[in-house]
Amino acid sequence: AQTVTQSQPEMSVQEAETVTLSCTYDTSENNYYLFWYKQPPSRQMILVIRQEAYKQQNATENRFSVNFQKAAKSFSLKISDSQLGDTAMYFCASAGGATNKLIFGTGTLLAVQP
Amino acid sequence: EPEVTQTPSHQVTQMGQEVILRCVPISNHLYFYWYRQILGQKVEFLVSFYNNEISEKSEIFDDQFSVERPDGSNFTLKIRSTKLEDSAMYFCASSELSRGNQPQHFGDGTRLSIL
Repeated sequence: AQTVTQSQPEMSVQEAETVTLSCTYDTSENNYYLFWYKQPPSRQMILVIRQEAYKQQNATENRFSVNFQKAAKSFSLKISDSQLGDTAMYFCASAGGATNKLIFGTGTLLAVQP
Repeated sequence: EPEVTQTPSHQVTQMGQEVILRCVPISNHLYFYWYRQILGQKVEFLVSFYNNEISEKSEIFDDQFSVERPDGSNFTLKIRSTKLEDSAMYFCASSELSRGNQPQHFGDGTRLSIL
């Protein structure tokens, strides 16, 4: 069984500063993938970044990067130079197995303050 | 960029009625999914669909739920006899392949309100 845990229900950050969102996971799959999705008030789920578990190098996408600690089963998201448009709910998710279904955490509501 | 589209954006239905939620996945995608998000809760997997059959379903996806791809374009979720607890946001997603490095693309969701 796969589980994803996000222990921060809400976070706040000042514009232009850096924030880190935490996520831990558990899985019985040998090959799995980890994702961060963003859900702004407009409600569409948008993929922010993904990480293949077999890769040791942390994924980066512009201002977004992850700290993937496989042994600790930790997958945190760092947002640098936060912008007002980053305000959203952020979901950590894992996928693996034949059907690649996504297992989501409970989400972290991030508010970027001007 | 191609998108997953869902209709309607909001559906209000009387308890006990049937409801059909529609999705048009991205055209070259082969794997289709439905997820549910009850207000204030996390997104939950309902069902995955490939090659015109269900490949996996969750405990939530009981006999009241069904999916089909009637015309090679639309992907529908039917709830036969809706209950109050079916009120939620329903998201459709599709991916090109069933591998994690082929990410799932989500639609905007359908907000289902059961009265």
